[in-house]
Amino acid sequence: GAVVSQHPSRVICKSGTSVKIECRSLDFQATTMFWYRQFPKQSLMLMATSNEGSKATYEQGVEKDKFLINHASLTLSTLTVTSAHPEDSSFYICSARDLRGREYNEQFFGPGTRLTVL
Amino acid sequence: GQNIDQPTEMTATEGAIVQINCTYQTSGFNGLFWYQQHAGEAPTFLSYNVLDGLEEKGRFSSFLSRSKGYSYLLLKELQMKDSASYLCAVRDTKKVSWGKLQFGAGTQVVVTP
Repeated sequence: GAVVSQHPSRVICKSGTSVKIECRSLDFQATTMFWYRQFPKQSLMLMATSNEGSKATYEQGVEKDKFLINHASLTLSTLTVTSAHPEDSSFYICSARDLRGREYNEQFFGPGTRLTVL
Repeated sequence: GQNIDQPTEMTATEGAIVQINCTYQTSGFNGLFWYQQHAGEAPTFLSYNVLDGLEEKGRFSSFLSRSKGYSYLLLKELQMKDSASYLCAVRDTKKVSWGKLQFGAGTQVVVTP
């Protein structure tokens, strides 16, 4: 199946700093990637849809100036959490759709990034 | 709006069968997915239904009734490794970004010896 990687897998940072998370599709091109956030024992909440070569589409309530998304190529999207605060501590997961002849067009998820802001 | 409801937790013994129900309300519908998620890991794809009926895949089966806005995931011959959260997700055609998934809160399945 399609493989999506994320880096880093875990990051601890001080309050007020910025953190960049990378999401890569390893064996396919992804024109669209999705960024989710998941708090403990809760489901995935879609933050934004990242489109290659254009601006990301943010979900209601998600601050676009705080969560900067860049989809610079067909295999890479980055999420930057700017001026992170403890309440931003969460599990961030990206996904990508592989459209190569797949009936389901299901999303393949990266392994996630655990962010802890002190 | 869009609501996806599924039970919070279910417990079953090894070797048994468990059925996880999911009901949804959506303005447009283009498929329902089931994902398995172990703690601290990313979700993995289990099944997809877009037409009414049952889809069987080994020990896992998924059913869909579009008129009722209802799906279930059936896990047979439960194994300890099946202890995980099971997420129901609906793809909505009316959203700006085609392919967006809305997830339910997940059902934590606990398999006991």
